[in-house]
Amino acid sequence: NAGVTQTPKFQVLKTGQSMTLQCAQDMNHEYMSWYRQDPGMGLRLIHYSVGAGITDQGEVPNGYNVSRSTTEDFPLRLLSAAPSQTSVYFCASSYRGSASGDDNEQFFGPGTRLTVL
Amino acid sequence: LAKTTQPISMDSYEGQEVNITCSHNNIATNDYITWYQQFPSQGPRFIIQGYKTKVTNEVASLFIPADRKSSTLSLPRVSLSDTAVYYCLVGDSNYQLIWGAGTKLIIKP
Repeated sequence: NAGVTQTPKFQVLKTGQSMTLQCAQDMNHEYMSWYRQDPGMGLRLIHYSVGAGITDQGEVPNGYNVSRSTTEDFPLRLLSAAPSQTSVYFCASSYRGSASGDDNEQFFGPGTRLTVL
Repeated sequence: LAKTTQPISMDSYEGQEVNITCSHNNIATNDYITWYQQFPSQGPRFIIQGYKTKVTNEVASLFIPADRKSSTLSLPRVSLSDTAVYYCLVGDSNYQLIWGAGTKLIIKP
């Protein structure tokens, strides 16, 4: 049971390049989400998904796309990288995603440290 | 938009009990209160969750008063390895968890 895995661990991009951050979970969780964390700050929700084929925007969705074709995978695409997207990106999954109720413990991946020059 | 307020940082010593209080004045009726721990260069890790009164597990206790406008995470007999950032979370209007800046806890020998 690997939990939540993310690739790559580190990435350097030039302004305007695009790339996809990969996230996979093997816990059969319906809810998956992507966060970014800037230095000294808390996590900010980018996009989330409540199940295969269903995605929605979080607090800071601009410049990012997601899709959820399977329960296991939830890739995050940067369309045209900008220096403001330099951050650490975390993927998380949980049985339930709503703050309304219990049993919504989120399991986080190790993160991807992205630098945009 | 439900938000939380926590102290930015706290210091304590090994073997002491540490209490971190979180204010959440606008918590929704159905919201639970959840605490996470984060070490440098790692993703957050779930500590404890509760709705009202007191919840205890093997690592922490969570105290929630009747009005639910605040909560207190209690870490018994801390060690150096408890040095981390601790986040208190409640939901927003869409029931998505909102992460504040957290409390940086430093444990000294």
